[in-house]
Amino acid sequence: NAGVTQTPKFQVLKTGQSMTLQCAQDMNHEYMSWYRQDPGMGLRLIHYSVGAGITDQGEVPNGYNVSRSTTEDFPLRLLSAAPSQTSVYFCASSPKGLTGNTIYFGEGSWLTVV
Amino acid sequence: ELKVEQNPLFLSMQEGKNYTIYCNYSTTSDRLYWYRQDPGKSLESLFVLLSNGAVKQEGRLMASLDTKARLSTLHITAAVHDLSATYFCAVDRTGSARQLTFGSGTQLTVLP
Repeated sequence: NAGVTQTPKFQVLKTGQSMTLQCAQDMNHEYMSWYRQDPGMGLRLIHYSVGAGITDQGEVPNGYNVSRSTTEDFPLRLLSAAPSQTSVYFCASSPKGLTGNTIYFGEGSWLTVV
Repeated sequence: ELKVEQNPLFLSMQEGKNYTIYCNYSTTSDRLYWYRQDPGKSLESLFVLLSNGAVKQEGRLMASLDTKARLSTLHITAAVHDLSATYFCAVDRTGSARQLTFGSGTQLTVLP
């Protein structure tokens, strides 16, 4: 059981370049989210999805796009990278439901924009 | 807007001592989470608290939730060096799809 898999783990981009961070989960979870973590801070929600074909913005969506064509995959696209997007990105997934389900986080993707 | 405040932000403690980390949040929540993060690593789930008065314990860590006061605590008993890490609380807004709002984290250092 792989859980939540993120790729790449490390990436250096030049300002203005675009790229996609991949996130895949094999637990058939309905909910998936992307967060960013800046030094000395907690995670902030970028975008989230409640199921295939449904996405919405979180707290800090500007400069990012997402899509959810399948239950398993939730890629995050940086449209035109800026130094302010240098951060660690975490993908998370969880099952739908009212009881206390754990939220599973990926290992993180370290992105540097120069 | 949901706000989550943790304190203290930095905590140095001697091995064997007890201490409490506090997490206040500003609006009604379905559930509250505690996570541990080691440097350069992902988040490790510690506790999920669902209801008022919930108390959970694992080893030297105990978490509690008071929904009326909008307060959760993470109590550390007889600290050991292995507990050194950053601890985050996170709140899931009522009715949300696990959209978490995180506190800033408490960086805990346990000194020998």
